[in-house]
Amino acid sequence: GAGVSQSPRYKVAKRGQDVALRCDPISGHVSLFWYQQALGQGPEFLTYFQNEAQLDKSGLPSDRFFAERPEGSVSTLKIQRTQQEDSAVYLCASSFSSGNEQFFGPGTRLTVL
Amino acid sequence: GESVGLHLPTLSVQEGDNSIINCAYSNSASDYFIWYKQESGKGPQFIIDIRSNMDKRQGQRVTVLLNKTVKHLSLQIAATQPGDSAVYFCAENRGAGNMLTFGGGTRLMVKP
Repeated sequence: GAGVSQSPRYKVAKRGQDVALRCDPISGHVSLFWYQQALGQGPEFLTYFQNEAQLDKSGLPSDRFFAERPEGSVSTLKIQRTQQEDSAVYLCASSFSSGNEQFFGPGTRLTVL
Repeated sequence: GESVGLHLPTLSVQEGDNSIINCAYSNSASDYFIWYKQESGKGPQFIIDIRSNMDKRQGQRVTVLLNKTVKHLSLQIAATQPGDSAVYFCAENRGAGNMLTFGGGTRLMVKP
């Protein structure tokens, strides 16, 4: 079946703009993760959902970052008042359940000018 | 803080040779490790995993070795091919939600 999809693939924002990044996990996957990957670095955990419940948001760098998964399927990562340091690739991953293999989407590359 | 890291940022090998990518971890309580391959413009792709009750696990052309005594993990790729060129990350799976903690990555370059 289809893998994890993310949209848009590329996003350019002016500093101060709000952005919304979408993740469509693999159908039936309970767990959903967001990671941030700076250039030349490994991905860093942002937040985790189990169904619609956000169980861990300890990795969100500031209160400008907000994630939701209202129906336990599609998730949106929103960044308010974007800053240049928010420029990165944002990766979404899903797994059948907690502790199972995580499947990653292609990521959204965000560039804040 | 505790983290997963890598010794070599770039590894260049000849096509057909074997490759070894190393990783050190610092959390002795970690019990599950994964190697990912990431090609340019793509998300990380699962290669192989190993649990802490094992020392070695083999896949197709890949082997992961775990040395818990020195908290060291390695990925061996046999008969390296041009298609193996990518960045390789080791990751540690921990936490109630099992989020991944990644190292900084090693770039593998395969020379024809």
